[in-house]
Amino acid sequence: GQQVMQIPQYQHVQEGEDFTTYCNSSTTLSNIQWYKQRPGGHPVFLIQLVKSGEVKKQKRLTFQFGEAKKNSSLHITATQTTDVGTYFCAGNNAGGTSYGKLTFGQGTILTVHP
Amino acid sequence: ETGVTQTPRHLVMGMTNKKSLKCEQHLGHNAMYWYKQSAKKPLELMFVYSLEERVENNSVPSRFSPECPNSSHLFLHLHTLQPEDSALYLCASSLRWGYEQYFGPGTRLTVT
Repeated sequence: GQQVMQIPQYQHVQEGEDFTTYCNSSTTLSNIQWYKQRPGGHPVFLIQLVKSGEVKKQKRLTFQFGEAKKNSSLHITATQTTDVGTYFCAGNNAGGTSYGKLTFGQGTILTVHP
Repeated sequence: ETGVTQTPRHLVMGMTNKKSLKCEQHLGHNAMYWYKQSAKKPLELMFVYSLEERVENNSVPSRFSPECPNSSHLFLHLHTLQPEDSALYLCASSLRWGYEQYFGPGTRLTVT
């Protein structure tokens, strides 16, 4: 079945440093979504990427979708303590019998030290 | 955010109890989901309902029984659970199956 791997599992940074998490799928994706879960909270949708090579920005966050639509990354510039949380990627199956099935990566837990 | 609500927020139950988790969405969505979140497996998809029909069942033990009476409500009936079932159970909804999902706050379940 489809697998979505996310690295690193943990990342500790000093406030002001950059942060990147990577997501790799075993199959080609129709789209990829990113979510953020604050400590004690629930996942919140951030963005969806659909096109090959797509790049989207949200303030200090930059999201990329690979040319082959099998990998993605989230980069945060100059982290702030408000960026703390777990970042999940979720890949949408491009075909097969479970169209629309969203497979979540394991998440990257980001800690920001002030 | 109050688009997706879940009750109860916390639940402690014995292994012989029967309880139900409730999820309600006020977003006009057509798909609803149950996830299990634990330390070992961050987000496990359990069930998906699209237009009130179950379209995904990820090999979930029969002690978990979902019910979707209409597009706004989703239940998870629990019986004879095991301690390893203790986890955060999250409900989510999306406009259509596969679209971006909106999560509820979750029910923290402890099985004793």
